[in-house]
Amino acid sequence: EDKVVQSPLSLVVHEGDTVTLNCSYEVTNFRSLLWYKQEKKAPTFLFMLTSSGIEKKSGRLSSILDKKELFSILNITATQTGDSAIYLCAAPSNFGNEKLTFGTGTRLTIIP
Amino acid sequence: EAQVTQNPRYLITVTGKKLTVTCSQNMNHEYMSWYRQDPGLGLRQIYYSMNVEVTDKGDVPEGYKVSRKEKRNFPLILESPSPNQTSLYFCASSLSGYYNEQFFGPGTRLTVL
Repeated sequence: EDKVVQSPLSLVVHEGDTVTLNCSYEVTNFRSLLWYKQEKKAPTFLFMLTSSGIEKKSGRLSSILDKKELFSILNITATQTGDSAIYLCAAPSNFGNEKLTFGTGTRLTIIP
Repeated sequence: EAQVTQNPRYLITVTGKKLTVTCSQNMNHEYMSWYRQDPGLGLRQIYYSMNVEVTDKGDVPEGYKVSRKEKRNFPLILESPSPNQTSLYFCASSLSGYYNEQFFGPGTRLTVL
């Protein structure tokens, strides 16, 4: 059975801190790993990682994949209150993106 | 504006009363999918569709039906809703079923009494 596990489940930090969110996976025919941010409602796409060791960066957010150890991390530096959200990682299985398994998410709260 | 729309956004209904949640996308995406989100369980895939007339089960298909007669629409049908189908439902679409990010609709909050 495909599995995506995120840790921690919940994290509370002060504005300006740096956080690291973890995602480990066990999926059939792994091809890519995706990160989403969910604020009030719908998840919004952050990153898709396909190659091991190559960092993807967008402003203060960055992510990297380790295909040997089957995990990914999402880093957020200089956190702001607007970063408060649930962060989800997901991995497609089988032969494409058709079946997507999500982790339960990390709820990040930034205290001003 | 490129988007995925869902209707209704909120629905309270009673056990056994058939309902349909519509999903439409205007991006000419081939792939569409339905998820439900429950506390502590995360997002779980109900059904997906790789293209018109091609649908398949996700992880939690029991109690749901779908159809894909047109590329833009992918309705979710609950023939006989039960209280355990109370959940937040998301429709999503992507360009194709391979290697592409999924765009999510705004969600439908369903309560079955």
